[in-house]
Amino acid sequence: SQWGEENLQALSIQEGEDVTMNCSYKTYTTVVQWYRQKSGKGPAQLILIRSNEREKRSGRLRATLDTSSQSSSLSITGTLATDTAVYFCAKDSNNRIFFGDGTQLVVKP
Amino acid sequence: DPKIIQKPKYLVAVTGSEKILICEQYLGHNAMYWYRQSAKKPLEFMFSYSYQKLMDNQTASSRFQPQSSKKNHLDLQITALKPDDSATYFCASSQDQDWGYEQYFGPGTRLTVL
Repeated sequence: SQWGEENLQALSIQEGEDVTMNCSYKTYTTVVQWYRQKSGKGPAQLILIRSNEREKRSGRLRATLDTSSQSSSLSITGTLATDTAVYFCAKDSNNRIFFGDGTQLVVKP
Repeated sequence: DPKIIQKPKYLVAVTGSEKILICEQYLGHNAMYWYRQSAKKPLEFMFSYSYQKLMDNQTASSRFQPQSSKKNHLDLQITALKPDDSATYFCASSQDQDWGYEQYFGPGTRLTVL
């Protein structure tokens, strides 16, 4: 999982498969953000989920937040080759933001 | 049209020199930020500005100085450059300075210090 506990992870899947990426955290957070970063580009925020929300969807994306286990996940259904990117999570803590190491997702056509 | 412009896209500098990274946003946002992304490290928050005022500084070194001449401009001056400063620097903005607002990132400036 992310947030500095592991190095950048890598996943390689076939187009059409579903995938889930996870983040866990140790300190209280009010917001978890999920980002996608394609090679050579700036990060793009995908989903923002607040501590009072358990789930949020946006198209093929679904984010969950479990405050009891202090973890969040991002799922992508029906992946496309264009979903190939690094995905990372971010959380706020004491009014500051901290980013995870990221998951390198490769979707093979 | 790009909504956040960063100049230059690539920058090569020698150790000890000074450079300014430019950022302009055309989203009408009130808050702007600088982030750094070094090789094999997570994205790192550096500064946040709201209505041209510094809100948070998470950068230990005073060699990094943000400069806001207009509400939609937030430049980053780096002095006495070191090889460790080599990284991609991203500018971002949001409607207001709160992590509950969506952040929009620029394309970045890749800085290499020799």
